[in-house]
Formats: sequence, C-alpha cells, structure tokens
Amino acid sequence: AQRVTQPEKLLSVFKGAPVELKCNYSYSGSPELFWYVQYSRQRLQLLLRHISRESIKGFTADLNKGETSFHLKKPFAQEEDSAMYYCALSGLEGTALIFGKGTTLSVSS
Amino acid sequence: DVKVTQSSRYLVKRTGEKVFLECVQDMDHENMFWYRQDPGLGLRLIYFSYDVKMKEKGDIPEGYSVSREKKERFSLILESASTNQTSMYLCATSRDSGGELFFGEGSRLTVL
Repeated sequence: AQRVTQPEKLLSVFKGAPVELKCNYSYSGSPELFWYVQYSRQRLQLLLRHISRESIKGFTADLNKGETSFHLKKPFAQEEDSAMYYCALSGLEGTALIFGKGTTLSVSS
Repeated sequence: DVKVTQSSRYLVKRTGEKVFLECVQDMDHENMFWYRQDPGLGLRLIYFSYDVKMKEKGDIPEGYSVSREKKERFSLILESASTNQTSMYLCATSRDSGGELFFGEGSRLTVL
C-alpha cells in the first residue's frame, strides 16, 4: 500500500534555527515525491519535487530510498516560513497524489 | 498561470440538503481532483477525473458524487449533506497523471 507519514503535527523553532520536516513513505516502486506548502490565507502550492533537485526559498529535500524518506530541510528558518507543509507521493501510473497529514511549522523571533 | 476557481468560498447548509461545489480551470488540464482537508487528517482524496465524463473513486468517496461534463469543469455533489461533511474542500488540476497539482482557494462547507 502507498502511504505517506509525517510524524510531527507541529514543529516550533526560533528564527535562524535549522529546520527539518520529516516525511517517510511506503511504496515498493520508484516514487516521485513532492513537498507542498500552504501559507496563511493562501492556496496550497508546490514547494519542490525531488526530481528537480532544486532549492526553493532555501529549502532542500533529498530522496533516501534506503530509509524511504524525503525530509525537508532549511539551515536557517525565517518567520515567513511559518506555514502548513504537506509531503506527497506519486506512485502507480494513473493514480492521484497521496498526501501526508501535514506539519505546521511555526517560526518565532 | 494556471487558474483554478472554486465558485463558493464559504457555504452553510442544513443536514439533508443537496450541495454542489463547482470547480473551473482555464489551462486545458486533463486531470481534476477533489480533496477534503481536515486538521490532523491532512488531504484525503474524494474523487478524481482523467477525462470528460470519466471519474474514479478516491479514498473517501462515500456520501459524494462528481460530474465532469466539460473538460474545464469538475463538480462535487453531496446528495444529502451530513454534519460530518463539514470541512474544507479543495479542487486541484494537473497536466499529467501524478504530476504537479494546482489548487483552488478552497470551499469551506459547514453543515448544521
């Protein structure tokens, strides 16, 4: 079965601290992984996807197939990073994205 | 820019009422989706459609139906609304199956 697990409901950090939002997945094939973000009063939007291997707004995520993880990292958190973050998996052809339950990131000064 | 428009931002309905949630996209995307978003439960897929007049059940289709008569429009129907359907409903589109999703602003439904 395909599944995405985000173990933390809430992650609170101080401005300038490193951030790691955890995501683990369950899928036997070759997955495509995404991180989506929803800022307050804005629509949900794509932050990054593993195949692009980009850094977006200072965030990076590396797919670790051995640990079946796709953790989102940023070395120095900013207050504007406060948002809800969802990890998502694209597995079988013809199926929709599967989302985790989300992690709220709160960055305070 | 892809534009995904959900017709109603906020609705209040009574138990037993029939509810229509409309979603329109302007980018000629083949795929359209309905999710519901609940605190602590994340996004759960209700239905999706890969083509006109075609639909597939998602993880939680019970109590819902959908209609896709035109490529750009995907409607979610609650035949008889119940209080446990109080939620935020998100419509999304994508060009490719399993590809990047573009979301609407959401429709917050309250069923009394």
